[in-house]
Amino acid sequence: EAGVVQSPRYKIIEKKQPVAFWCNPISGHNTLYWYLQNLGQGPELLIRYENEEAVDDSQLPKDRFSAERLKGVDSTLKIQPAELGDSAVYLCASSLEGGELRDEQFFGPGTRLTVL
Amino acid sequence: GNSVTQMEGPVTLSEEAFLTINCTYTATGYPSLFWYVQYPGEGLQLLLKATKADDKGSNKGFEATYRKETTSFHLEKGSVQVSDSAVYFCASSNQAGTALIFGKGTTLSVSS
Repeated sequence: EAGVVQSPRYKIIEKKQPVAFWCNPISGHNTLYWYLQNLGQGPELLIRYENEEAVDDSQLPKDRFSAERLKGVDSTLKIQPAELGDSAVYLCASSLEGGELRDEQFFGPGTRLTVL
Repeated sequence: GNSVTQMEGPVTLSEEAFLTINCTYTATGYPSLFWYVQYPGEGLQLLLKATKADDKGSNKGFEATYRKETTSFHLEKGSVQVSDSAVYFCASSNQAGTALIFGKGTTLSVSS
């Protein structure tokens, strides 16, 4: 069974440019998470989807970040415009159901963003 | 909110040595606790978990016991192998029980 797929794996952009990351969760997983991992830190939740609904986006900086999960499957995370401090690894994870963490979260390999 | 503190790395061991990576948590209520591992070039993988006090999670020779009295979930392995070299993350469920709160990670390097 395929795992969580993310693309691109690496992205280098100039500051103030837009950038988008794509995630394809494991088939049948209803819950999708985007995490941000800064260098030397653990991942931090940005947004959680239950099917196509964003049920927790309290940590998403909405002035420049946006996300969508059309049809409750693939998801895209966008930054516009990117800032130097956005350089990090962006992780996508999915699970069968999210409530009370009953189900294991499976993580993708991440997208490493470098903003110059 | 909930938080997790784990020991700083890197940890460098010889093959067959005993491993302990300390992890403590602060939380309202009783969170679920997890250890994730990240091998070079790969995504995070769940190593083990415990959902209530005194539970012991175990997998691949690794163990961790949920200690409510010391708010700890230390990771142990009796005899490490070179293939165990990775970054280990301790994590707690958040207050709502719907997402993970991670520690900063501990890099383990095992030499033969």
